[in-house]
Amino acid sequence: KAGVTQTPRYLIKTRGQQVTLSCSPISGHRSVSWYQQTPGQGLQFLFEYFSETQRNKGNFPGRFSGRQFSNSRSEMNVSTLELGDSALYLCASRPPGQGFSPLHFGNGTRLTVT
Amino acid sequence: KNEVEQSPQNLTAQEGEFITINCSYSVGISALHWLQQHPGGGIVSLFMLSSGKKKHGRLIATINIQEKHSSLHITASHPRDSAVYICAGQYNTDKLIFGTGTRLQVFP
Repeated sequence: KAGVTQTPRYLIKTRGQQVTLSCSPISGHRSVSWYQQTPGQGLQFLFEYFSETQRNKGNFPGRFSGRQFSNSRSEMNVSTLELGDSALYLCASRPPGQGFSPLHFGNGTRLTVT
Repeated sequence: KNEVEQSPQNLTAQEGEFITINCSYSVGISALHWLQQHPGGGIVSLFMLSSGKKKHGRLIATINIQEKHSSLHITASHPRDSAVYICAGQYNTDKLIFGTGTRLQVFP
């Protein structure tokens, strides 16, 4: 079974631009969550989707948004990029109906904003 | 104050040593995760537990709900165990609050 796939792996953008990151969960997984990792703040929860619905959102500005498609693939979008948005963005998926099963993480997308 | 605290921040060990990493949390959680992150960024889930103790190979995780404390133990450490270990409290669904991580280096 293929793991969680995130694309692209690396991305360089300029301040003010917008970016879209993609996450394909493990086949059969319907829950996808997103996390941001920076040297200063560590790992922080962004949002979580289940069956195309956002179930939870972390403390991030409205410039950060996401969605989930009917095939469980998820995208997150950051608009009006700021230098502080430079980070490793990770997504994770979980099997359905197993709230207490471990998360499966992708390798992340490393975003650099210049 | 971070809701999830880890100690130590950095840890060095000689191959074969027994290692303990501690994690405490300030409010009730539904589960606690132990994660491993190697250079390059990929994260692997080691354990998820809500009570008691779990073991996988040389790794053991314990949690004490009353004391709001969890420990990760590595027996007979090996240089390939060198990584950052992160604990995270799961508060509802997949909303995780992460500790700051423990950077472990095991020397041969």
